[in-house]
Amino acid sequence: GNSVTQMEGPVTLSEEAFLTINCTYTATGYPSLFWYVQYPGEGLQLLLKATKADDKGSNKGFEATYRKETTSFHLEKGSVQVSDSAVYFCALVSNYQLIWGAGTKLIIKP
Amino acid sequence: DAMVIQNPRYQVTQFGKPVTLSCSQTLNHNVMYWYQQKSSQAPKLLFHYYDKDFNNEADTPDNFQSRRPNTSFCFLDIRSPGLGDAAMYLCATSRAAEALSYNEQFFGPGTRLTVL
Repeated sequence: GNSVTQMEGPVTLSEEAFLTINCTYTATGYPSLFWYVQYPGEGLQLLLKATKADDKGSNKGFEATYRKETTSFHLEKGSVQVSDSAVYFCALVSNYQLIWGAGTKLIIKP
Repeated sequence: DAMVIQNPRYQVTQFGKPVTLSCSQTLNHNVMYWYQQKSSQAPKLLFHYYDKDFNNEADTPDNFQSRRPNTSFCFLDIRSPGLGDAAMYLCATSRAAEALSYNEQFFGPGTRLTVL
């Protein structure tokens, strides 16, 4: 079946560091891929998405590229801020469902 | 701004006392979802409505029910809350142009349920 695997957290970085959160997937066909972010005490927000191979999603300085050959959708940001501290979820859409990764907690220290 | 609204943001109930959580949307999306989320784990889908059609997940306990009286509103009823039902409940919507072609989901802020 379809599944999403993302790196375990927490990930702790200093402000202005480079961020990578790995996400790989197993799926039939080429589903749309998403990164959602959840700030403390809040609901989930769509951070970025990609709907087909080689698409690059980007938002708020974050980027992720849909890599069919490596079945990956890694999240990157060149310079993180304290305000980026949150839990990040990678997901794919399969029929009506979102198939979620386990989530990666990101902690940014000043 | 078009959005997904959940009320209340925080709900406290007693063990076994029925509780209803509310969700409304101004996005005019035809699909609405209810999720349960514990401790920053991935959300667990409880059920969803495709228009008026109710779709229950196989492992959703009977204790959880839902109603969708119109396009804009959807309710989650927990008939007899147990301590294990304490969680964040998230409502989401999406626009499905055709069957099985579901787009990304838009989430509300969630309702945190405490069971005493």
